[in-house]
Amino acid sequence: SQTIHQWPATLVQPVGSPLSLECTVEGTSNPNLYWYRQAAGRGLQLLFYSVGIGQISSEVPQNLSASRPQDRQFILSSKKLLLSDSGFYLCAWSPAGGNEQFFGPGTRLTVL
Amino acid sequence: DQQVKQNSPSLSVQEGRISILNCDYTNSMFDYFLWYKKYPAEGPTFLISISSIKDKNEDGRFTVFLNKSAKHLSLHIVPSQPGDSAVYFCAASRYRGQNFVFGPGTRLSVLP
Repeated sequence: SQTIHQWPATLVQPVGSPLSLECTVEGTSNPNLYWYRQAAGRGLQLLFYSVGIGQISSEVPQNLSASRPQDRQFILSSKKLLLSDSGFYLCAWSPAGGNEQFFGPGTRLTVL
Repeated sequence: DQQVKQNSPSLSVQEGRISILNCDYTNSMFDYFLWYKKYPAEGPTFLISISSIKDKNEDGRFTVFLNKSAKHLSLHIVPSQPGDSAVYFCAASRYRGQNFVFGPGTRLSVLP
């Protein structure tokens, strides 16, 4: 069966510090991968998606970037965090051409 | 511009009664819809889906209704249980395998 991992589960970082959140998927090949953010009191905002290694599409301009160095690994990064980057970050995967997205447990990021 | 709207940020229902969660969309190109359920500090989990060729899909206590002319869908939970208390997200996509747009969510509280 497929599983999706995210770490860390929680993170507190000062403004201006770098960020690296990692997501890995097991039990499937060539998944579509997604990064979402849920800001306090708001819905899920799609940040990035990837249909293959090295293929990243950005949905919104922002302070963040994403990379997919391996088929089942998706990384969300920032060189300098802003206060507005605080939120709950969710990684998700879907089968290529499939509809349902399966979400990871999320990372709670607090930028102080 | 919010393409998927869930105008009720919260809803309270007595245990055993029906819960009705509503979702409206503006993009007439959307033809596949999903409902997700999310507990605090966890990733969303898939509940039920419907494609535009149907107007109803049922899975146990959960039924989704789609009214294409009104660009409206709803999720019915009967009977409601305390464990159903969560945030429910509606999501829509233009066609199979494409990215979803999520609504802001409705927090359901089922009171014992």
